[in-house]
Amino acid sequence: DVKVTQSSRYLVKRTGEKVFLECVQDMDHENMFWYRQDPGLGLRLIYFSYDVKMKEKGDIPEGYSVSREKKERFSLILESASTNQTSMYLCASSSLIGVGEQFFGPGTRLTVL
Amino acid sequence: TQLLEQSPQFLSIQEGENLTVYCNSSSVFSSLQWYRQEPGEGPVLLVTVVTGGEVKKLKRLTFQFGDARKDSSLHITAAQPGDTGLYLCAGVPMDSNYQLIWGAGTKLIIKP
Repeated sequence: DVKVTQSSRYLVKRTGEKVFLECVQDMDHENMFWYRQDPGLGLRLIYFSYDVKMKEKGDIPEGYSVSREKKERFSLILESASTNQTSMYLCASSSLIGVGEQFFGPGTRLTVL
Repeated sequence: TQLLEQSPQFLSIQEGENLTVYCNSSSVFSSLQWYRQEPGEGPVLLVTVVTGGEVKKLKRLTFQFGDARKDSSLHITAAQPGDTGLYLCAGVPMDSNYQLIWGAGTKLIIKP
């Protein structure tokens, strides 16, 4: 059974803290994605990676960075968390960019106080 | 900005009823996907449509891609409580080489 796992289901952090969200996929996919999901706004792409050590900005990269040191792992970093980063964060992977199916993890609900 | 607008945003109906949800844009898409997301989980792909006018069926779910490839619909026949979830459409615009554009979703509740 193919799987995308995320390090935490729920996370509570304080303003200014550095936050790491980790995502691991076991499908040997080249492409990995980080989205945030807010009610009424759908999924917004933060960053994606199409290969190890490669990254591309999505629609809303400000306040975030990413790391992909190994093919199976894609990390999202909030350098200094702010309250407007309270959201659901979804990680996905796919073998094809665009038309290919994206496989999602269960999400991390992050609350920044 | 290329947008995918989904309607209605929210729909609550009784078990056994039929329903249609829509995904519309002013842009042309090379393909469109429909996902369902259940509470506490990530979205799961239901179908991909790639040809204008294409109709695909998945049990009681019928998906259609518009002739002009600017819109899509999802029709559910005899809805069941297990159909409850957030339905998301996502597409690749014709002038894009990779990035999926996502709609905001239709939240569907089927009451027993």
